[in-house]
Parts: sequence; C-alpha cells; structure tokens
Amino acid sequence: DAGITQSPRHKVTETGTPVTLRCHQTENHRYMYWYRQDPGHGLRLIHYSYGVKDTDKGEVSDGYSVSRSKTEDFLLTLESATSSQTSVYFCAISDFMNTEAFFGQGTRLTVV
Amino acid sequence: ILNVEQSPQSLHVQEGDSTNFTCSFPSSNFYALHWYRWETAKSPEALFVMTLNGDEKKKGRISATLNTKEGYSYLYIKGSQPEDSATYLCASSYTGGFKTIFGAGTRLFVKA
Repeated sequence: DAGITQSPRHKVTETGTPVTLRCHQTENHRYMYWYRQDPGHGLRLIHYSYGVKDTDKGEVSDGYSVSRSKTEDFLLTLESATSSQTSVYFCAISDFMNTEAFFGQGTRLTVV
Repeated sequence: ILNVEQSPQSLHVQEGDSTNFTCSFPSSNFYALHWYRWETAKSPEALFVMTLNGDEKKKGRISATLNTKEGYSYLYIKGSQPEDSATYLCASSYTGGFKTIFGAGTRLFVKA
C-alpha cells in the first residue's frame, strides 16, 4: 500500500469553527490532491498541489484553502466550517499529473 | 463543463455471472481513462489506466476496453465472485493542466 496517512480519520465540529485536515505521504510523489465524496457524486477535486508551495484550485474550492510547506504534507483548511462541508475527504498522491492516483483512507467530517 | 457518466448506478448479480459496466466521457482533449475499485470502508484502488484508442487491459477476471473516438470505456468482470462486490469508479483525464473528472461509480453487489 502507498504510504498515505490522513488525520484525523473522523471529526465532528461546529458551524463557524476552523478545521484543518492533514495528509502525509512517504512516497515522495510530486502531486497531491484533496477530494470530497458525497452521495450521488463522484470524487470532486477541491485543491491540488504540484510541488512545495505550488497549489491550484479544483472544481469545488470555495470555502477551502490548502498549504504545502513540505513535499510530504498537504493541509486542507476550512476557515469557517459550514454544514454543506459535511463530507468524506480523501487525499491522493501521484507521480505525474493525470496518472493513476493512490488514495488515503479518508476523513469523515461532520459539521453540526 | 466536463461530465463523466457511469451506468448502471448499481447492479445485483449472482455468483458466477459475467457482467459489464459503461463509462462515457467527453473525447475532446482526452489524455487517459482510469478505472478504480472501491470497497466499502476502504480507499479507491487503481485497476487500469488506458490512453490509446482500442486499448484493452486485463487483470485476472477483470478487463477493460477504451474507445477514445466515441468517448466510452467498458469494464468487464467474468465469473463474478462475492469479493468483487465494490464500487467501480472511472475517471477521465484531459490535457491542458490538471483535469481529471470522476464519474459517480457503479455499485456492484455479487450474491453467493
């Protein structure tokens, strides 16, 4: 299995609070991604990174920010959580852009 | 807006049945087609990546074909087993920056 660790695995938070999810990889892959998965939808890209301090928006980036200060870590921050951000969040990594990705175990976030 | 469609949404088969699902995608600026297998409570795992029109890939009892001109891919499972029960995701990648779009998946249930 690819070395990808997401933390926390589960979180319940209140509306309006900030939340940070962490993705850590040990594969030295260049590309890292954050997706959310909701019923009836496929995985939807929130943000991705193509190197240290190099990030770009995905299709559902509103309300989210990311940071990548080291190759191995990619952080996803919800500045002020809303109920619409209740979802399962997956981190993924890949060697090259648009090639097969390896996924973390997911983080289930509930905003109440 | 790029949209990847998978059909059917769900499928119930008996052990030993052969089955197939469809992934339809926009063919303009196509780069690669990915199939992932996603078991409940686990993370998606890559099955195949295909790039060329007419590509066929096989892994054990599972195979896939690709038609880039008309924008579709088929995934076949021969002699389904209960352990094949999972959601099968397809994702299509495009040139011109990072753009990989996931379908909503086909949920397969194999009854012993």
